[in-house]
Amino acid sequence: RKEVEQDPGPFNVPEGATVAFNCTYSNSASQSFFWYRQDCRKEPKLLMSVYSSGNEDGRFTAQLNRASQYISLLIRDSKLSDSATYLCVVNAGGTSYGKLTFGQGTILTVHP
Amino acid sequence: SAVISQKPSRDICQRGTSLTIQCQVDSQVTMMFWYRQQPGQSLTLIATANQGSEATYESGFVIDKFPISRPNLTFSTLTVSNMSPEDSSIYLCSVEVGHTPGHPFQETQYFGPGTRLLVL
Repeated sequence: RKEVEQDPGPFNVPEGATVAFNCTYSNSASQSFFWYRQDCRKEPKLLMSVYSSGNEDGRFTAQLNRASQYISLLIRDSKLSDSATYLCVVNAGGTSYGKLTFGQGTILTVHP
Repeated sequence: SAVISQKPSRDICQRGTSLTIQCQVDSQVTMMFWYRQQPGQSLTLIATANQGSEATYESGFVIDKFPISRPNLTFSTLTVSNMSPEDSSIYLCSVEVGHTPGHPFQETQYFGPGTRLLVL
């Protein structure tokens, strides 16, 4: 089983749609969780951290379910500029402090 | 956040040669990391670059193949030694900065622009 698993997609949605990405992680001791965005031929950039209480940043909402070891990202009112690969990222903490484990990424294409 | 630069941005190399990649950050950071992103794949951590001590390598990566230097808190190098076409990849450095108040362990990593390496 992969440490971090994502549905690779691709997701093709029209502008204005709502789209949700899911991610599961295998290490129950994982401490921190993130969603990164990677545009074609660019480095990953932090989209948002994911907190146990859930958090929202504009059109983006992230949720964490520690019991199910499940992370989600919801994008509302999709824009063309949201087209990218979305990476679910987990930091195990502890003796693996600083080590980020990346999912394979979910490809999103938003079309007119 | 942090501003991170890498040199070179890309290179084409012959097999059997070595390439040293530089990573410079605009502020002092304790933790720097080197990742590899192979074509069509996600990122894999190669090693953690520790200032003043040897790098800590992940499973599958060894110092002889990927020697790392960390002479100070703003700079690190990764060398890809005795290259083969399988080493063709994007190599990225990252730094960990700050933490979010009220959220321990929520330090954030920022990535450099990457070095695209093609080995012929």
